[in-house]
Amino acid sequence: NAGVTQTPKFQVLKTGQSMTLQCAQDMNHEYMSWYRQDPGMGLRLIHYSVGAGITDQGEVPNGYNVSRSTTEDFPLRLLSAAPSQTSVYFCASTHLPSSVSQTQYFGPGTRLLVL
Amino acid sequence: GENVEQHPSTLSVQEGDSAVIKCTYSDSASNYFPWYKQELGKRPQLIIDIRSNVGEKKDQRIAVTLNKTAKHFSLHITETQPEDSAVYFCASPPSSGSARQLTFGSGTQLTVLP
Repeated sequence: NAGVTQTPKFQVLKTGQSMTLQCAQDMNHEYMSWYRQDPGMGLRLIHYSVGAGITDQGEVPNGYNVSRSTTEDFPLRLLSAAPSQTSVYFCASTHLPSSVSQTQYFGPGTRLLVL
Repeated sequence: GENVEQHPSTLSVQEGDSAVIKCTYSDSASNYFPWYKQELGKRPQLIIDIRSNVGEKKDQRIAVTLNKTAKHFSLHITETQPEDSAVYFCASPPSSGSARQLTFGSGTQLTVLP
């Protein structure tokens, strides 16, 4: 199993540009999520999904869109990049039923710099 | 929503000593408390977790204790080694909504001095 994969590893954008961060998992996990990590602020939840066709907002959703057309993929879209979105982005996934492990598996991260 | 506070933000210990990191949470109905370790430039990885129906859980040199009355849980690392140097995050889900929707603490940079 590849686990959780993310592309690209690093991206530089200009203010106003749009882009999509890709995330995929091959563990048949129902739950997927996106976090951003900024120095001194831990990991903050952007959006999450409990299954294909279902998404919801987390703590810091403004400026980001998501979709979940398949169980495997959960892309994050930046509509109009701003310097405040400079961060490291992590995708994570886990099983949903409470009878199984709640361990969240993280991808390797995407480092985004917005100029 | 859930609020998780983590202390200290930085911690330096001598190799072989113990390290303790503490987190407090706000939602008294929360029932799951994981700890993640993140090495420099790497992804966070779960190292130990505890559910609200037990007060302590151990796994070799690491342990987690939970005090539901005081709403805090702590990570204990004994006989620290240089490879324990990393950022450690506690987390907790809300009692309502998705149980996988974790709120993370701000992290503790642990440095183990040789």
